[in-house]
Amino acid sequence: DAKTTQPNSMESNEEEPVHLPCNHSTISGTDYIHWYRQLPSQGPEYVIHGLTSNVNNRMASLAIAEDRKSSTLILHRATLRDAAVYYCILRVPYGQNFVFGPGTRLSVLP
Amino acid sequence: NAGVTQTPKFQVLKTGQSMTLQCAQDMNHNSMYWYRQDPGMGLRLIYYSASEGTTDKGEVPNGYNVSRLNKREFSLRLESAAPSQTSVYFCASTRLAGTPGTGELFFGEGSRLTVL
Repeated sequence: DAKTTQPNSMESNEEEPVHLPCNHSTISGTDYIHWYRQLPSQGPEYVIHGLTSNVNNRMASLAIAEDRKSSTLILHRATLRDAAVYYCILRVPYGQNFVFGPGTRLSVLP
Repeated sequence: NAGVTQTPKFQVLKTGQSMTLQCAQDMNHNSMYWYRQDPGMGLRLIYYSASEGTTDKGEVPNGYNVSRLNKREFSLRLESAAPSQTSVYFCASTRLAGTPGTGELFFGEGSRLTVL
């Protein structure tokens, strides 16, 4: 399975945008990019996913590089509730395994 | 709509004891998963069930067994618990087996297991 690399931790101020990077230089042409987040003492929850084009939903935006070797999760206005560990994972088509790395721990400062 | 429900939420075992973690989903999902999460680490897949009647090993299956009891339920059994199995265990499910990239995972709240 192709691997992803994320910074261990990031900080943001409340109500400011946050850009969470993910490198996946060995991604194959058919791998989907998924993002999940895990709030303290909870199970992970789905945030967003994409293949080639940028994607928006009510939680966040996903910007995918043209060569697909990296992507960025964008939280447009961070709130204290967005403090969590964010995981970038690659989903092999028709595969069953979601491989989670250590993720990025986001701290949001009031 | 409960989603994915895990029981128990907390358990303390002595080395060598056995126990079963239960997981049930009410979303009519085909695929179900068991992960473990150790402090400061990501989730590691123990076993998964792509559909009712099938189970497969994940990354760290040793010391565990699973049963896909029916479409709703997927249990994880520790036959002889060891301190190395102290962890938080998460059950997850997804809508369709083998979807081409959608099929987001839905997780339970976790079961915190301590083995003394």
